[in-house]
Amino acid sequence: GENVEQHPSTLSVQEGDSAVIKCTYSDSASNYFPWYKQELGKRPQLIIDIRSNVGEKKDQRIAVTLNKTAKHFSLHITETQPEDSAVYFCAASYGNKLVFGAGTILRVKS
Amino acid sequence: EAQVTQNPRYLITVTGKKLTVTCSQNMNHEYMSWYRQDPGLGLRQIYYSMNVEVTDKGDVPEGYKVSRKEKRNFPLILESPSPNQTSLYFCASSVTGINTEAFFGQGTRLTVV
Repeated sequence: GENVEQHPSTLSVQEGDSAVIKCTYSDSASNYFPWYKQELGKRPQLIIDIRSNVGEKKDQRIAVTLNKTAKHFSLHITETQPEDSAVYFCAASYGNKLVFGAGTILRVKS
Repeated sequence: EAQVTQNPRYLITVTGKKLTVTCSQNMNHEYMSWYRQDPGLGLRQIYYSMNVEVTDKGDVPEGYKVSRKEKRNFPLILESPSPNQTSLYFCASSVTGINTEAFFGQGTRLTVV
């Protein structure tokens, strides 16, 4: 069935270190993979997305990689800062639906 | 200001009392959807709408209804709320479909006692 698995569920890093969050999806027809950041008490907001015709996309300290063969995509945050602390959700498109992972709580310790 | 507006922000109700959560967007987006957020489960799609008068079930539609009579509005209706519908609800809209950025409303915290 339609499923997105996200790991880890919590991640603590020291300020300045890198953070990596990984997701897998189940349908090879999925073609859109966004990442959303949700700060405490706020709404989710898109931080980066990637489509199936691209293997990697970068925006300043954030990058996403996609491996279609393995049905796997990852979020990479470099030089983490305290303001990166939040819950991060990956998602994959299934037809006209968007299925989210369970989320990763990222804590950046200063 | 471009935005998605939900009302109310907080709601406490009793089992079986019908309620409606409103959602409105001013960006002329075609696609709108409702999600519920529960700890450890992420965001799960309840219903979505590709355009006016076109709605379809998401992954957890049981106990919910929606309508899309106008492009800007997409209300969520709970005809007979139950305690397992206690959750944080988000409405979202996208320009043309699921493959474009979703803009979320502020969220509605619903408690059913």
